[in-house]
Amino acid sequence: AQTVTQSQPEMSVQEAETVTLSCTYDTSESNYYLFWYKQPPSRQMILVIRQEAYKQQNATENRFSVNFQKAAKSFSLKISDSQLGDTAMYFCAFSQGAQKLVFGQGTRLTINP
Amino acid sequence: DAMVIQNPRYQVTQFGKPVTLSCSQTLNHNVMYWYQQKSSQAPKLLFHYYDKDFNNEADTPDNFQSRRPNTSFCFLDIRSPGLGDAAMYLCATSADWKSTDTQYFGPGTRLTVL
Repeated sequence: AQTVTQSQPEMSVQEAETVTLSCTYDTSESNYYLFWYKQPPSRQMILVIRQEAYKQQNATENRFSVNFQKAAKSFSLKISDSQLGDTAMYFCAFSQGAQKLVFGQGTRLTINP
Repeated sequence: DAMVIQNPRYQVTQFGKPVTLSCSQTLNHNVMYWYQQKSSQAPKLLFHYYDKDFNNEADTPDNFQSRRPNTSFCFLDIRSPGLGDAAMYLCATSADWKSTDTQYFGPGTRLTVL
């Protein structure tokens, strides 16, 4: 079974700093999808960024980018120029073909003013 | 504009008293999902509907049931809630059953069991 591990339960940085959240996963498959979801306090979870395993190029969405290392089964999220609104729980998730998402335990990120 | 709506946002029930949680969507998506998220844990998929086809996860307790009377609405029924069922319940939708389809989540219903 696929597993997703986020080794940082909590992180805290100052506004405008860059922060990197770690995620590792375990699978024997070669084709799959990886996601980062953001769950702000008392608000719904939203998709931040998606990476398709067969694409070597790292995905980027504005201030959010990933470092996808397929051989190492690592999928980290970098947030540049962090903002107060980035404060949230961040979940790394894995999906193999179909839509069944397997989530990591989450990283609680706090951006301090 | 709300796209995935969950009611109520907070629900308190008594041990063993049946409870129903509601989810509606304005996206006209084919797939609707129910997740259980316990405190400080990852969301866990309970089941999903692809149109009218119900798909139960193997480890979802029989205590949990679901109904989808039409495209827009999906209900989660907990027949006899136990203390261990206290959690946030998340509803999500996607246009189709492909990993390229984004899942849109509702704000969740926090269930308390007394």
